[in-house]
Amino acid sequence: GAGVSQTPSNKVTEKGKYVELRCDPISGHTALYWYRQSLGQGPEFLIYFQGTGAADDSGLPNDRFFAVRPEGSVSTLKIQRTERGDSAVYLCASSLEGGMNTEAFFGQGTRLTVV
Amino acid sequence: GENVEQHPSTLSVQEGDSAVIKCTYSDSASNYFPWYKQELGKGPQLIIDIRSNVGEKKDQRIAVTLNKTAKHFSLHITETQPEDSAVYFCAARDNTGGGNKLTFGTGTQLKVEL
Repeated sequence: GAGVSQTPSNKVTEKGKYVELRCDPISGHTALYWYRQSLGQGPEFLIYFQGTGAADDSGLPNDRFFAVRPEGSVSTLKIQRTERGDSAVYLCASSLEGGMNTEAFFGQGTRLTVV
Repeated sequence: GENVEQHPSTLSVQEGDSAVIKCTYSDSASNYFPWYKQELGKGPQLIIDIRSNVGEKKDQRIAVTLNKTAKHFSLHITETQPEDSAVYFCAARDNTGGGNKLTFGTGTQLKVEL
């Protein structure tokens, strides 16, 4: 596609529920990233995939958060037992590769609201 | 880990004036510094970037400078227009050891007034 696509654009869920957020990266991009952006803040790193494997998951806040990228393209961020503090915009980005000369392009984000 | 500080948090300029946003970073291993523009309800859009092997880069009305010794980089927008109004984020990335995450500043809300 033309850019990084994220679905849904908005998600409202009840505290304690499970949610899945989807990211379709730019075609051919091998590197994929998830970030979380709270109101008035810059994006914060969650996890980075190179191909199918998570090369760096050091930003995941706890074991309620998990992400997969089984075929090296689409990725799903999964949040179990959601808490009100999980409310934020979840951003996905992709880049052609993970090396030095690669720009990261962001999707429009999924706004998650936990009530 | 990397820490990026960004100033000012808000900036208001008259149309046609220049705007400057400054960032500092802490990790001397960082070697890539992009700038993103984010409009309300949208994802960050890459507008310009600079790598550690150059000190300045320019693209039309936008320029970025990098001082590796001081660990300081800046965004310069000349001849500002109302459509430049948005939140701007600086970021730094350390590629060594296979790492590839961007650490962002807290953002600058730029308002260009007519």
